[in-house]
Amino acid sequence: EADIYQTPRYLVIGTGKKITLECSQTMGHDKMYWYQQDPGMELHLIHYSYGVNSTEKGDLSSESTVSRIRTEHFPLTLESARPSHTSQYLCASSLYGYTFGSGTRLTVV
Amino acid sequence: GIQVEQSPPDLILQEGANSTLRCNFSDSVNNLQWFHQNPWGQLINLFYIPSGTKQNGRLSATTVATERYSLLYISSSQTTDSGVYFCAVDSGGGADGLTFGKGTHLIIQP
Repeated sequence: EADIYQTPRYLVIGTGKKITLECSQTMGHDKMYWYQQDPGMELHLIHYSYGVNSTEKGDLSSESTVSRIRTEHFPLTLESARPSHTSQYLCASSLYGYTFGSGTRLTVV
Repeated sequence: GIQVEQSPPDLILQEGANSTLRCNFSDSVNNLQWFHQNPWGQLINLFYIPSGTKQNGRLSATTVATERYSLLYISSSQTTDSGVYFCAVDSGGGADGLTFGKGTHLIIQP
């Protein structure tokens, strides 16, 4: 049933490195989202897209950027990772209900 | 923006017990979903329920949109039901995306 995929599942990386978190869906959904979640806390929307070439910032300010060149692909990039970026990042797509990927647990050391 | 409040924040039960989780929201919604987040962080959709009642095995949910609340019922709890249960809503106006409550942390003891 889960047709939305995130890689990597876990990532430990040094400060200052550039990283890209991948998110792909095979459902043909136009709307896609990125959420950030600290351990034990609620999810906060950081980016969303209505379709190809559409990207918007969410409610929570984030230093990350996103792109939407293809309908099925919505990667998130951090140009220079910092320890404050340590968190879980979840990708979702929607038609009516929302479907989430398994998430990427990012640790910046 | 829309506010989502969940109660109780924490719940500890013995295996076999029943429970009711509540979600209140501050405005009309186009979408309401209940999710279960397992210990590995995966968010599993339980119900898409902007109104009405649905059942899936031991779980059921009811949303009374006119009174702006939703309830999730878990019957005959099992240890695998442990985790965090989130209610999330989409008002359909302004910025897109779901707004999440803070969740109910459920622990089922054997």
